[in-house]
Amino acid sequence: QKEVEQDPGPLSVPEGAIVSLNCTYSNSAFQYFMWYRQYSRKGPELLMYTYSSGNKEDGRFTAQVDKSSKYISLFIRDSQPSDSATYLCAMEGGKLIFGQGTELSVKP
Amino acid sequence: DAGVIQSPRHEVTEMGQEVTLRCKPISGHDYLFWYRQTMMRGLELLIYFNNNVPIDDSGMPEDRFSAKMPNASFSTLKIQPSEPRDSAVYFCASSESGAHSWGEQYFGPGTRLTVT
Repeated sequence: QKEVEQDPGPLSVPEGAIVSLNCTYSNSAFQYFMWYRQYSRKGPELLMYTYSSGNKEDGRFTAQVDKSSKYISLFIRDSQPSDSATYLCAMEGGKLIFGQGTELSVKP
Repeated sequence: DAGVIQSPRHEVTEMGQEVTLRCKPISGHDYLFWYRQTMMRGLELLIYFNNNVPIDDSGMPEDRFSAKMPNASFSTLKIQPSEPRDSAVYFCASSESGAHSWGEQYFGPGTRLTVT
């Protein structure tokens, strides 16, 4: 079993939709949780960073951590075509451990 | 700052040849990471340095891979001899030390390596 599981998609939604991206993990010691966004043929860039359980909001993006369920989510409100990218969750466990990434396509 | 710089951006080589990938981290960052990304395995950490010293190389797949960081502004990842299964995108990333900075890694544009 992988330490971090993420549905690779692809996920296709119409512009304006609410998008939910999720990851599960197995190591209860993880404390820091991140979401990276990777555009095609580019390096990943940090999108959101949360510590422990709870929610964090940044504009149209909300990151949610549920440590009791070992489950993290990223919500994108009012999705735009420019949000089309691969989204990778990552967790700190002595090093960054990344999920496989979910490919998102937002259609105009 | 120009961000993390990697060269070359693309490399095509034949099996058995030596390949050297280069990275210049963001000035002032004291952590440097080398990752490999493939469709099958996703993004994997190969090795990371702190203050130019290799800390964890457990992700280096085998002895054909080696990495150096001779100074704070330059690192290399070398594959000798290269094999077709080494074909991947190799990323370099850097970050600052600090409790909240470990996960804030800044990635370069990557080197797309194809070994034929």
